[in-house]
Amino acid sequence: GENVEQHPSTLSVQEGDSAVIKCTYSDSASNYFPWYKQELGKRPQLIIDIRSNVGEKKDQRIAVTLNKTAKHFSLHITETQPEDSAVYFCAASLWSFQKLVFGTGTRLLVSP
Amino acid sequence: EAGVAQSPRYKIIEKRQSVAFWCNPISGHATLYWYQQILGQGPKLLIQFQNNGVVDDSQLPKDRFSAERLKGVDSTLKIQPAKLEDSAVYLCASSSQSVHKRSYEQYFGPGTRLTVT
Repeated sequence: GENVEQHPSTLSVQEGDSAVIKCTYSDSASNYFPWYKQELGKRPQLIIDIRSNVGEKKDQRIAVTLNKTAKHFSLHITETQPEDSAVYFCAASLWSFQKLVFGTGTRLLVSP
Repeated sequence: EAGVAQSPRYKIIEKRQSVAFWCNPISGHATLYWYQQILGQGPKLLIQFQNNGVVDDSQLPKDRFSAERLKGVDSTLKIQPAKLEDSAVYLCASSSQSVHKRSYEQYFGPGTRLTVT
């Protein structure tokens, strides 16, 4: 079955810096890759997603890139703000309504 | 639209006891998921329903866990008997599975935090 690895496990940046989180997946048939943000004690919330027919997608300060050949995808956050501090999870699935296989999470801390 | 509702929010039980969690998905969402999130880990799918039928329960410990989705709306997840390692947050999610509108997203509920002592 699918396996998703995520790095780093923790990431500390200064406000205004960029943050990059990387994930690799094992099943070449996977074609949907969402990123979720989870604040302490809260539910995971989708922040951006990408499908396999797209190499890059941007939404304001957030971007995701996908390299299907290498089977890895990355989350890029620019101009980080303290409110970006949370745990970020990548995930992969065959289709968007199939089960999501999550990575282990990255705890992002943005210091003022 | 109203979000995914779950209850209870917190539950503390002793090992070998039983417990049940309830989920009400977003209205009209055909697909419902139960995930288990152990502290410090990503959510792991336990079971997926399409309407009232099971799509995937390959990671559900069927000797102790059971789930149902009667009438294709609300769902209940039960653990009997509970073990210490079942301590986790149980997340319910739903999706509309519509290809005609941008609604592939899985919407998560607030979760039920279970502590087994």
